Amino acid sequence: GESVGLHLPTLSVQEGDNSIINCAYSNSASDYFIWYKQESGKGPQFIIDIRSNMDKRQGQRVTVLLNKTVKHLSLQIAATQPGDSAVYFCAENPNYGGATNKLIFGTGTLLAVQP
Amino acid sequence: DAGVTQSPTHLIKTRGQQVTLRCSPISGHKSVSWYQQVLGQGPQFIFQYYEKEERGRGNFPDRFSARQFPNYSSELNVNALLLGDSALYLCASSSTGLNTEAFFGQGTRLTVV
Repeated sequence: GESVGLHLPTLSVQEGDNSIINCAYSNSASDYFIWYKQESGKGPQFIIDIRSNMDKRQGQRVTVLLNKTVKHLSLQIAATQPGDSAVYFCAENPNYGGATNKLIFGTGTLLAVQP
Repeated sequence: DAGVTQSPTHLIKTRGQQVTLRCSPISGHKSVSWYQQVLGQGPQFIFQYYEKEERGRGNFPDRFSARQFPNYSSELNVNALLLGDSALYLCASSSTGLNTEAFFGQGTRLTVV
């Protein structure tokens, strides 16, 4: 749902390990979801998206899983690299209608990759 | 192809002043959305424009306004600036108005003093 607070959850992993970042979304009517990566001082970078008629989608080194029953998204990053260090946001489109592409962002998770 | 471009990259304004931020979407994209990102939080939706019409508005006061031009570029205006308006303002570009990938620019860092 809406992001709150100043203290980001942090996930610390070793280089080469797999990372799993989780996100709970708020609106059961949401039918489109995106994961973004944001490095310090930069805008969010599109990673991967998934629509509500899918449970899983794979990209290059990344996989997104969607569980609509519990309103949960996860982003899996294989063989995590130092360049993956960033804040990761999930975003949902609650599809309020009227051709609105409003995205609601989650709190964000800081991924710290240890060399 | 150029990505989403925003100008200026940084801006310092005094309380009570007005500011205009600019965004050029990816070539061929007809939808532009604006977001405000306060430090430590996720982006918050302000406006969406598609084909020069407002298609959505977030929970922001009337001091915030925007428009989209025939070439699909957009401006965000904020009047009577408050200290709390200090944030990173992001523009997102998408090809259509609904449920498509939204690509963000680098943002404009606004500091109100």
